[in-house]
Amino acid sequence: GDSVTQMEGPVTLSEEAFLTINCTYTATGYPSLFWYVQYPGEGLQLLLKATKADDKGSNKGFEATYRKETTSFHLEKGSVQVSDSAVYFCALSENSSYKLIFGSGTRLLVRP
Amino acid sequence: GAGVSQSPSNKVTEKGKDVELRCDPISGHTALYWYRQSLGQGLEFLIYFQGNSAPDKSGLPSDRFSAERTGGSVSTLTIQRTQQEDSAVYLCASSLALASGELFFGEGSRLTVL
Repeated sequence: GDSVTQMEGPVTLSEEAFLTINCTYTATGYPSLFWYVQYPGEGLQLLLKATKADDKGSNKGFEATYRKETTSFHLEKGSVQVSDSAVYFCALSENSSYKLIFGSGTRLLVRP
Repeated sequence: GAGVSQSPSNKVTEKGKDVELRCDPISGHTALYWYRQSLGQGLEFLIYFQGNSAPDKSGLPSDRFSAERTGGSVSTLTIQRTQQEDSAVYLCASSLALASGELFFGEGSRLTVL
């Protein structure tokens, strides 16, 4: 079945460092891909999404590009801030499906 | 508030007891979802509602789990005869548009079964 694999955390970075969180997926069709973020004490919220191959989703300085050839959707940010400390979840949904399939999450800790 | 509200935020119960978890979605959102997050695991889909009906109950782990939604709004997830493996954070989400992928999550109900 469909699945999402994320790099294990925690990822610890210094402020202004470059961030990459790897995400790969397995799907039978052509899924839409998502990154969700969970800040401490808050519910998950959508960070960005991409619905077809080569699309780039971006928000709040974060970017991810839908790579069909490598079945990947890696999350990147050029310069992280302490306020980016959170748990990041990669997810997919098959076309016209209501169901999101999530990865296990990657905790990011940014130190001042 | 304008977000998804869940209660209780924390619940500690003894093995064998029944528990009810409540979710109040964002007003106007017709789709409602329950997920479960166990320690070190991703979010596991449990059930989905469109209005008051549940077209997909495939994720419910056993017949001890049930859920209902009334008036197209509030939903209750019930776990009967709780077991220790039921310990997890139960997350509720709602969405306005079906299959948009944009779900709005509550903060979750943390269940601990002793």
